[in-house]
Amino acid sequence: GAGVSQSPSNKVTEKGKDVELRCDPISGHTALYWYRQSLGQGLEFLIYFQGNSAPDKSGLPSDRFSAERTGGSVSTLTIQRTQQEDSAVYLCASSGGSPYGYTFGSGTRLTVV
Amino acid sequence: GENVEQHPSTLSVQEGDSAVIKCTYSDSASNYFPWYKQELGKRPQLIIDIRSNVGEKKDQRIAVTLNKTAKHFSLHITETQPEDSAVYFCAATSGTYKYIFGTGTRLKVLA
Repeated sequence: GAGVSQSPSNKVTEKGKDVELRCDPISGHTALYWYRQSLGQGLEFLIYFQGNSAPDKSGLPSDRFSAERTGGSVSTLTIQRTQQEDSAVYLCASSGGSPYGYTFGSGTRLTVV
Repeated sequence: GENVEQHPSTLSVQEGDSAVIKCTYSDSASNYFPWYKQELGKRPQLIIDIRSNVGEKKDQRIAVTLNKTAKHFSLHITETQPEDSAVYFCAATSGTYKYIFGTGTRLKVLA
């Protein structure tokens, strides 16, 4: 596609429920990244995928968080048993196989009530 | 772990004045330093970047400087305009692809 697409744009969920956030990167981009931005805060690294290599999961805050990337394209970030502190904007980015200039999606605003 | 510190957290300048935002990084292997601008409710967008083999880069009213020895890099905006008001994030590479971001600077340009 022309840009990085994320869905849904907004998600409100009850505490304890599972959520799935989707990212569709720019066509042909081999690297895909997930970041979290809490209200008024910076961008916290979660995970990244590069081609067929094992993903770098070093930023995932707990084992309730997982992500996969199917077919080297679309990625899904799953948060199990959501907690209120998970409320944030989840941003996805992609790049063309080099670190020079990510392109970000518009994000998914997750609210856990 | 790797860390990027960014100062100031907020900055107010009069229209037409210059603005400077400074960052320091901890990973001596970092070799690429992008700057992103995020307007309210929008996605971060790359505005300028610099690689480690260059000390300065300029693009119209925006410039970035890098001091690898001191592990410092800075964003300079000259002749600021109201549309420059936004949150600015610096970042440094960690490993091959990952960025570590600073905590952001909220710039307000007063008309």
